[in-house]
Amino acid sequence: NAGVTQTPKFQVLKTGQSMTLQCAQDMNHEYMSWYRQDPGMGLRLIHYSVGAGITDQGEVPNGYNVSRSTTEDFPLRLLSAAPSQTSVYFCASSYYSFYGYTFGSGTRLTVV
Amino acid sequence: GEDVEQSLFLSVREGDSSVINCTYTDSSSTYLYWYKQEPGAGLQLLTYIFSNMDMKQDQRLTVLLNKKDKHLSLRIADTQTGDSAIYFCAESTGSGGGADGLTFGKGTHLIIQP
Repeated sequence: NAGVTQTPKFQVLKTGQSMTLQCAQDMNHEYMSWYRQDPGMGLRLIHYSVGAGITDQGEVPNGYNVSRSTTEDFPLRLLSAAPSQTSVYFCASSYYSFYGYTFGSGTRLTVV
Repeated sequence: GEDVEQSLFLSVREGDSSVINCTYTDSSSTYLYWYKQEPGAGLQLLTYIFSNMDMKQDQRLTVLLNKKDKHLSLRIADTQTGDSAIYFCAESTGSGGGADGLTFGKGTHLIIQP
């Protein structure tokens, strides 16, 4: 039981490049979400999904796309990377919010 | 909109109790959570409390909820060096009871003095 797996752990992008941050969970959780963590800002919700085929925007969705074709996977796409997207990105999943969310170990992204 | 406020730093002596405070604004919050983040790591769920509860105790952790004042606190008894971390308060958002993600405070850095 691996929990929530995020890849890669570290990434450096040039401005304008695109990439996909991967997130997979093996706990059969319906709820999944993406957050970004910036110094002094806590975690802010980017996108979330309540099940396969259903996604919605969070607090800071601009510049990011998501899809949820399976229960297990919830990738986050950066369309055209900007320095303002330099951050640590966390994926989380939950079976039911009563149990809280399980977080991955994060992807540290630097855009130069 | 929803907002969660925490003080940024708390310094305590090893062996003393730590009390981390949090205020929230969304009166419809169903669940409230405390997460712990150690350097370079993800977030670890410490405990949670349902909005119809006043208190919850789990070993060294005690959570108190004052719904009238929208105030949540986390007390760590007999604080140890391993408790040094950032502690986040979070609330379930909107009408989804948390299905639509959580709103986090900015985190409280707990510093342990020997």
